[in-house]
Amino acid sequence: GENVEQHPSTLSVQEGDSAVIKCTYSDSASNYFPWYKQELGKRPQLIIDIRSNVGEKKDQRIAVTLNKTAKHFSLHITETQPEDSAVYFCAAMGGAQKLVFGQGTRLTINP
Amino acid sequence: EPEVTQTPSHQVTQMGQEVILRCVPISNHLYFYWYRQILGQKVEFLVSFYNNEISEKSEIFDDQFSVERPDGSNFTLKIRSTKLEDSAMYFCASKEGVDYGYTFGSGTRLTVV
Repeated sequence: GENVEQHPSTLSVQEGDSAVIKCTYSDSASNYFPWYKQELGKRPQLIIDIRSNVGEKKDQRIAVTLNKTAKHFSLHITETQPEDSAVYFCAAMGGAQKLVFGQGTRLTINP
Repeated sequence: EPEVTQTPSHQVTQMGQEVILRCVPISNHLYFYWYRQILGQKVEFLVSFYNNEISEKSEIFDDQFSVERPDGSNFTLKIRSTKLEDSAMYFCASKEGVDYGYTFGSGTRLTVV
C-alpha cells in the first residue's frame, strides 16, 4: 500500500522567511496530494491540494509543487507569520480513495 | 459551508466498556472514513465506507471495531471493549466523489481510563 514520508519533523523559521516541507510517496497510482494544517486539539484543515496532472499550484503565500517522476511533493510558505505556526501534514490518495498521511511537521515561526 | 458533525466532542470511558462515536457526514457525500490520531502522532486510517459497506480497513481496525450507517445520515464507529491504547482523537471524514478531497469533522477525544 501507499507510504508517505515527510520531512522535517520540526522546522523553526524567522518571521518573514520562507518555510519548505517535503514529502515522498511510494504508490505511483496516487493522483491527489493535499496539505493540511492542524492547530492544537483541532481538526486537520485543508490549506492547498494538487492533482497529478499539475506540477505547481499557488494560493497567495502558499504553493505546492509535485514531481511525479520522483514521487515527491513540497509545500512552500513565503513571508511566514506567527499564525502559520502549527503542525502540517501532507497526504496522498490513489485509486482506493483513501488518504495516507505523512508523519507531520511542527512549524514554529519565531517573531 | 456544510460541515461534518461529530458527537460527543469528548468521551471518557472505563477500560472494557463499549463506546459509540457518532458522525453526521455532509448530506450529498458518498465516501465516509474514520481516522484516529494518538496525541502527538500522525493521522492514521481506520476504515473507509462506500455504498453501504466497508471498502477498506487497516490493521488497527480489528474485531473490536465496527461501523454502521444505520439511517442514511449517521455514520458510527463502535469499539466493543475499549483498551487504554484506544485513547486518541477520532476523526470522521466524508467526500463527495472520486475526484474530491475530504472534509473532516471536529473530532471526538476518547479517553480510556
